[in-house]
Amino acid sequence: DAMVIQNPRYQVTQFGKPVTLSCSQTLNHNVMYWYQQKSSQAPKLLFHYYDKDFNNEADTPDNFQSRRPNTSFCFLDIRSPGLGDAAMYLCATRTGTGSTDTQYFGPGTRLTVL
Amino acid sequence: GQNIDQPTEMTATEGAIVQINCTYQTSGFNGLFWYQQHAGEAPTFLSYNVLDGLEEKGRFSSFLSRSKGYSYLLLKELQMKDSASYLCAVMDSNYQLIWGAGTKLIIKP
Repeated sequence: DAMVIQNPRYQVTQFGKPVTLSCSQTLNHNVMYWYQQKSSQAPKLLFHYYDKDFNNEADTPDNFQSRRPNTSFCFLDIRSPGLGDAAMYLCATRTGTGSTDTQYFGPGTRLTVL
Repeated sequence: GQNIDQPTEMTATEGAIVQINCTYQTSGFNGLFWYQQHAGEAPTFLSYNVLDGLEEKGRFSSFLSRSKGYSYLLLKELQMKDSASYLCAVMDSNYQLIWGAGTKLIIKP
């Protein structure tokens, strides 16, 4: 059974048209992450939540926002997508009870901007 | 600054052994992870090392030397399905993962 679920798997949007990506987890993990990954590059951390505590990476553009309405769900909002925002967006979770526990990834959402 | 270095690409033959190296410089160290990522898919967890030495898990082993800031992932009896990118990531003092860009492993028959 899938434990970290991302919808949709593939998203196409137009330049400047807002888009929302979703992530849900059945693991009851405290910590959730959003990463952006472009081809042949390392994943780049955008945001993370420890429970409801929101942490924004310093270099995350203002165009990106996130919401975590409850433990299970987390959303990534891209207010005005540009061509440079085309990438794979990865959601990950970890328990948060142990400081070094493993991050588990969802299947990712591949965003195309036309 | 924080830095993770690993080779961009490696090629190996089916049935052989390959070693993928990773060197790191980070602010603090709370362990090193290896992930496998097939093209167009999410990373999947392979191994975690926090103490020096070798951790063996089936065909895959991972080694860590904290004093040298060095790790390697050893893959034995290579199969075609092992063709993927292998990402090295270090958990820093803030318990965040610092990622390498990944090593693309190409397996030839």
